[in-house]
Formats: sequence, structure tokens, C-alpha cells
Amino acid sequence: EDQVTQSPEALRLQEGESSSLNCSYTVSGLRGLFWYRQDPGKGPEFLFTLYSAGEEKEKERLKATLTKKESFLHITAPKPEDSATYLCAVQVKYNFNKFYFGSGTKLNVKP
Amino acid sequence: KAGVTQTPRYLIKTRGQQVTLSCSPISGHRSVSWYQQTPGQGLQFLFEYFSETQRNKGNFPGRFSGRQFSNSRSEMNVSTLELGDSALYLCASSQQGIDTGELFFGEGSRLTVL
Repeated sequence: EDQVTQSPEALRLQEGESSSLNCSYTVSGLRGLFWYRQDPGKGPEFLFTLYSAGEEKEKERLKATLTKKESFLHITAPKPEDSATYLCAVQVKYNFNKFYFGSGTKLNVKP
Repeated sequence: KAGVTQTPRYLIKTRGQQVTLSCSPISGHRSVSWYQQTPGQGLQFLFEYFSETQRNKGNFPGRFSGRQFSNSRSEMNVSTLELGDSALYLCASSQQGIDTGELFFGEGSRLTVL
């Protein structure tokens, strides 16, 4: 069964303290892996798409990487405004109309 | 460019009632998906529509249904509400046709069932 697992569930960082979030997946044929950011009371906001192992994408303090079994979202020198829940989702080759989401990592960055 | 619009944003119902939620996708997007988000289960896929046809359905009971209109607007309906249906219902649109694309989410409709 297609499955997406994110860890840790929650992460508290001091401002400037870099860290990584993990998204591991078990799917029968990955078409794409997506990262989203969700603020309280809002819908998820698209961050990155990764399609093949070895691919990397960057945006400000965030960098997403992909291997054959997992993806990492690296946060460099985070700021309090980076506090949010980060979700990853996978799209499979045989059914790309349906996304499988992980349960998210809730990030709290303290000033 | 306007984003995905969902209405209503908040609603409270009682057990046994039914509810209809509405979603207007981004202009030009023909695919609309619905997700249920709860603290315990995360985002769970409900169904996806493209050009008025349901292409995919998640593992939800038949009380959950949806439809899409010719202008790509979509509605979902939940009948005979149960306490466990309390959740944030998210609609997402994308430009899917042949190629895939990221999902663009609305802000959701928060349903509370008492």
C-alpha cells in the first residue's frame, strides 16, 4: 500500500538553528514528491516539486532533496516566520490524480 | 489571479443533518480535488473531478459525494452527518490535463458536527 511518513511530528528550534525534516515514502512508482507549508487556519501552500532521485530545489531558507526512498526539507538559519506545519505528498505514476499526504511536521521557531 | 475559493468558511451542524460545501477553482484549472483534514488522520483524499467526471475516489462511505459543473466549480455533500465528520474540508485545483501539476488549495471549510 502506498504510504507517506513524516518525522518528527513536531520540532522546536531556536532562531538560527538549522535542521531537517524527513518524508519517507513507499509507493509503487513515484511520479512526483511535493512539499507544502500550512499555516494555522489556512490551506496548504505549495513549496516544491521533486521528480527524480538526486534532484534539489531551493527557496530562501528552504532546500528540498529527494532520494529513492525519502525526501528532506532542510531549513537553514530559520526565523520565527518559518513556523508552520510542513506537509509532503507523493503522486504515483499509475494514478496521478490522487495525492498521498504525510501527517506533517509542526515547526516552531523561537526568537 | 484569484485563488481557490471555498464557501462557507465555517459551519456548525448537528448529527443527522446534511451539508453542502462549495469550491471555485483557479480560472483555467479543470481538476478539482477534495480532502478531509483532521488532527489524527492528516489529509485524506475524498475525490477528484475533471471536466465534470469523477476520476478518482478515496476510501470514504457513500455519505460523501461530490459533483463538478461545466464551469469547473465543484460541490461536495455529506449526508447524515456524524460526529466524526468534524474536520477541515479542503478543495484544491490544478491544471492537470495530461501533465501533472501542483495542487492549489483553498482556505477550507471547517465543519463542526454537534
